[in-house]
Amino acid sequence: EAQVTQNPRYLITVTGKKLTVTCSQNMNHEYMSWYRQDPGLGLRQIYYSMNVEVTDKGDVPEGYKVSRKEKRNFPLILESPSPNQTSLYFCASSLGVGDGYTFGSGTRLTVV
Amino acid sequence: GDSVTQMEGPVTLSEEAFLTINCTYTATGYPSLFWYVQYPGEGLQLLLKATKADDKGSNKGFEATYRKETTSFHLEKGSVQVSDSAVYFCALSDQGGSGGSNYKLTFGKGTLLTVNP
Repeated sequence: EAQVTQNPRYLITVTGKKLTVTCSQNMNHEYMSWYRQDPGLGLRQIYYSMNVEVTDKGDVPEGYKVSRKEKRNFPLILESPSPNQTSLYFCASSLGVGDGYTFGSGTRLTVV
Repeated sequence: GDSVTQMEGPVTLSEEAFLTINCTYTATGYPSLFWYVQYPGEGLQLLLKATKADDKGSNKGFEATYRKETTSFHLEKGSVQVSDSAVYFCALSDQGGSGGSNYKLTFGKGTLLTVNP
């Protein structure tokens, strides 16, 4: 089944403790992206990648890092999480502009 | 920059009622347009899309037409069901960023639809 898999689904952590949210797609998509969803703000792009070793900032990159060492994986790294990063995070992948993104099921992160 | 404006919710309808969720957009180029649906506790699912003017996207009884002259992409369904209760997002795609390499979706704020039996 074609899908984007992200883990974990739920995570509660403390301020400053580094964490990684994994994302993997099995569709051989070149484009991958991370979004965060917040009430009243909708979905905002954090980082994107157009291929292996090619990543760049989206609209809200502060406090996040990504890497794309393999085509299928695009982990999101929070080196020192803060409470304002409490959010619902989605990983997504796409073939290209006209195809739309396929989204993962989401990771609900709470930073206390 | 690009933006998407969709009608604020919540929208509450009775089963078999007609649904319209308005969506208008602002874009510098010729974007592709999408409707996504998010059921409670789940991720976003692509509902339908249109890639050029006058295209009609359709799926599961929903449809939307890409109207370039009015910069609109309104979502419609003739007869809603309880199972259609969800949040609906209008979105456009753009290749922005440096060198045009960022394939980015710009979303509206979402419209919560509740369908009562």
